[in-house]
Amino acid sequence: ETGVTQTPRHLVMGMTNKKSLKCEQHLGHNAMYWYKQSAKKPLELMFVYNFKEQTENNSVPSRFSPECPNSSHLFLHLHTLQPEDSALYLCASSQVAAESYEQYFGPGTRLTVT
Amino acid sequence: LAKTTQPISMDSYEGQEVNITCSHNNIATNDYITWYQQFPSQGPRFIIQGYKTKVTNEVASLFIPADRKSSTLSLPRVSLSDTAVYYCLVVDYGGSQGNLIFGKGTKLSVKP
Repeated sequence: ETGVTQTPRHLVMGMTNKKSLKCEQHLGHNAMYWYKQSAKKPLELMFVYNFKEQTENNSVPSRFSPECPNSSHLFLHLHTLQPEDSALYLCASSQVAAESYEQYFGPGTRLTVT
Repeated sequence: LAKTTQPISMDSYEGQEVNITCSHNNIATNDYITWYQQFPSQGPRFIIQGYKTKVTNEVASLFIPADRKSSTLSLPRVSLSDTAVYYCLVVDYGGSQGNLIFGKGTKLSVKP
């Protein structure tokens, strides 16, 4: 058990749809992250939230919109996606300013854009 | 851009010790060396972390020479379930959040 849950686990959406990915961490951490993992590419950091404030946005297209209403929940809102956005989207959390910045990952959402 | 270099793949047999070496020639004073393991269609899982010399836990050992320009992850007596991708990262704990930058990792295949 990682303590980080993600829903849905699988999602198929058309390019005109709007959907949201949800992440919840039960570890009492104060930072949360979204990563994208495409086939044959390394994990890419997309967004970082520290104490609910977005502190990093790695040049992610505006069709991806994150939301962090509290330190336990993180959303990724999706709209007008492209087929190349099909990937495994991973959420992680960590305790910033602790001795270790070990990140705990969720199981991911497998997204397919048709 | 990942700050580490490691082999793309390795093969091993059950019961053997596996050593995966990682190069990080430009490691900075504040950087720690961290290893993660990832199974297919799952998120990465933290294995071990170190700064210098040797670190051992219930899963693996991490050997770091004095110059810290490389490190070796050692997995004792691997089993089929150790088949996974192993990522070596250097993490700046002096920075704001210790953001992780993943490379392509080493795909370890353990055969019976």
